[in-house]
Amino acid sequence: AQKITQTQPGMFVQEKEAVTLDCTYDTSDPSYGLFWYKQPSSGEMIFLIYQGSYDQQNATEGRYSLNFQKARKSANLVISASQLGDSAMYFCAMREGHSDTPLVFGKGTRLSVIA
Amino acid sequence: GAVVSQHPSWVICKSGTSVKIECRSLDFQATTMFWYRQFPKQSLMLMATSNEGSKATYEQGVEKDKFLINHASLTLSTLTVTSAHPEDSSFYICSANQGSNSPLHFGNGTRLTVT
Repeated sequence: AQKITQTQPGMFVQEKEAVTLDCTYDTSDPSYGLFWYKQPSSGEMIFLIYQGSYDQQNATEGRYSLNFQKARKSANLVISASQLGDSAMYFCAMREGHSDTPLVFGKGTRLSVIA
Repeated sequence: GAVVSQHPSWVICKSGTSVKIECRSLDFQATTMFWYRQFPKQSLMLMATSNEGSKATYEQGVEKDKFLINHASLTLSTLTVTSAHPEDSSFYICSANQGSNSPLHFGNGTRLTVT
């Protein structure tokens, strides 16, 4: 079964608008971490934001915020004031348990920002 | 700045030859590193977990005799693709964990093309 589900293969957003990228996850481990990475066409993985399972507040990092709904097992990424440079693949990922476990990635969402 | 260095960034080799990819943690020690593979327009798939001083742990379906992993020091893991074939052409990317609740830091990846 998929541990991380990203249902939007592609998304379009107008420049300066906000966009939400969906992510749902599946785990029975009470301790886990949720991550979002950006992958531009050059291939590098750029860390955007992290949410721990015990964190009470939604994570925010600049224009990125994570809408964490634990009961629904969702961790959507919200990008505010979209910029042309935000066009890229976005991956949601989860790490279960302790820090030496690998990340499991969703299939990704390709975001295109339109001028 | 970048904390994980991966080399080479791209390589073209002939079928039947072997290719070594290096992954270094630059300013921290990593007892565990992870190797991922990404085919075009797909997500990152975990290949193996590299453990310093012990054997790597391979994911199901990944041939350990074909993808040799060595993690001889706390800052270096290598992946050797032995007897490469065109179907091994892919984007290989390594990552290392700096500590609990820290994001995985990724190298910039290696684009392997086997002709």
